[in-house]
Amino acid sequence: EAGVAQSPRYKIIEKRQSVAFWCNPISGHATLYWYQQILGQGPKLLIQFQNNGVVDDSQLPKDRFSAERLKGVDSTLKIQPAKLEDSAVYLCASSLATFGQRENEQFFGPGTRLTVL
Amino acid sequence: AQSVTQPDIHITVSEGASLELRCNYSYGATPYLFWYVQSPGQGLQLLLKYFSGDTLVQGIKGFEAEFKRSQSSFNLRKPSVHWSDAAEYFCAVGPDSSYKLIFGSGTRLLVRP
Repeated sequence: EAGVAQSPRYKIIEKRQSVAFWCNPISGHATLYWYQQILGQGPKLLIQFQNNGVVDDSQLPKDRFSAERLKGVDSTLKIQPAKLEDSAVYLCASSLATFGQRENEQFFGPGTRLTVL
Repeated sequence: AQSVTQPDIHITVSEGASLELRCNYSYGATPYLFWYVQSPGQGLQLLLKYFSGDTLVQGIKGFEAEFKRSQSSFNLRKPSVHWSDAAEYFCAVGPDSSYKLIFGSGTRLLVRP
C-alpha cells in the first residue's frame, strides 16, 4: 500500500514570495490534515479536511495561508506572502476514519521542509 | 486546555540499556494517547496507541507504554535499545470532539555504541 506522498521535499524561498505544497493521501482515506512543525517543536495542526470539506482550520493563519482539497483526494497548501517565521516542515497526514469515529490513526507523509530567507 | 508535556528534550542511553521516555498530559476527559517516532528526514510513524482497556499497550519495534490515569502519564519504554532507535519521539493526545492531535515538543533519543 502506497503511503502519503508529498512534494516538493525541500523548498527555499525569499520572504514575501509565495509557495505551494502538494499532498496525495493514502487511497480511500477520507480525512486529510496539514501540520506545521517548527524546529524543536511538535507538529501543530493547521487544517483538517473531511473529504473536500474543512473540519477545523482554527489555527490556520488565513491572511497568508490557504488550503484546498479538490474532489476530496489531493490537497494543496499555499503560503502567500511567506514570512521568515514560516520556516518549518509541513507535514501532511491522512486517516481512514470518518468524523465522529474516535479510533483514528493518522499516517504521515515525509514532509516538505520550507526555508524562508 | 489540552496539552502534552515531554519533560526531557534529549536522552542519551547506551545500546542494550533500557529506555523510558516520559509523557504527561492535561485533558478534560478520557484521553486517546499516541506515541510517534520521527527519524531524520522522515515523517512520523505510529509506535503505539491507547484508546481503552488494558493500560499496558504493546507497539512495534519492541516498544510498550503504560497509561496511568492517576499520574496523567503515558510513558514509553523499551527493555533494550538498539542503535537504530535513535530518533525523535513524540507523545500526542487526541481530544474527543475531533481528530486533532496535540503533540508534545518531542524527546530526541541518542544511542551510545
